[in-house]
Amino acid sequence: AQTVTQSQPEMSVQEAETVTLSCTYDTSENNYYLFWYKQPPSRQMILVIRQEAYKQQNATENRFSVNFQKAAKSFSLKISDSQLGDTAMYFCAFMKNNNNDMRFGAGTRLTVKP
Amino acid sequence: GAVVSQHPSWVICKSGTSVKIECRSLDFQATTMFWYRQFPKKSLMLMATSNEGSKATYEQGVEKDKFLINHASLTLSTLTVTSAHPEDSSFYICSARDAGARANYGYTFGSGTRLTVV
Repeated sequence: AQTVTQSQPEMSVQEAETVTLSCTYDTSENNYYLFWYKQPPSRQMILVIRQEAYKQQNATENRFSVNFQKAAKSFSLKISDSQLGDTAMYFCAFMKNNNNDMRFGAGTRLTVKP
Repeated sequence: GAVVSQHPSWVICKSGTSVKIECRSLDFQATTMFWYRQFPKKSLMLMATSNEGSKATYEQGVEKDKFLINHASLTLSTLTVTSAHPEDSSFYICSARDAGARANYGYTFGSGTRLTVV
């Protein structure tokens, strides 16, 4: 079974600064997908960024980027120029290539301080 | 973009009654939908995978007779919490995969249903 570990229950960052959220996972699969989702106080799950395991290039979406280390099974999220609206729970998620279900880490509560 | 509508957003019911939660994909077809449960300040725990036209696949430890799932069409899945008890109080979230999209697109989530059993 796949497990996803987020070792930082809570993080805080000053507005405009950069923060990195950690995620590691355990799998015997070679092909899979990784995701970061954001859950603001409204509790709506919002896709932040995604990464295919077969791609070596790290995914980037505007202020959000990942550091994907396949050998280390690590998938960290970097948020640059943090904004107050980034305050939310962030979940790392894993999905096998040939299986449809998505497994989530425990989440990291990020607070952006003015 | 893909939208999933989940209804109701919150519900309060008496212990022993049943509650139905609907999950609809509004602008795409979803052959597969997923139901998650989220406790306060906790992660999303997969309860079951709902497949259109067939029986749902439940995760270990999830009572299929308590949490009835029906996926009768390509745009609608329902979760019925039968004979609800206070311990069933939780936040339930559905998600759906666009049948026409690549797997790496991820899933679209509903806005969730807060169930309180009194």
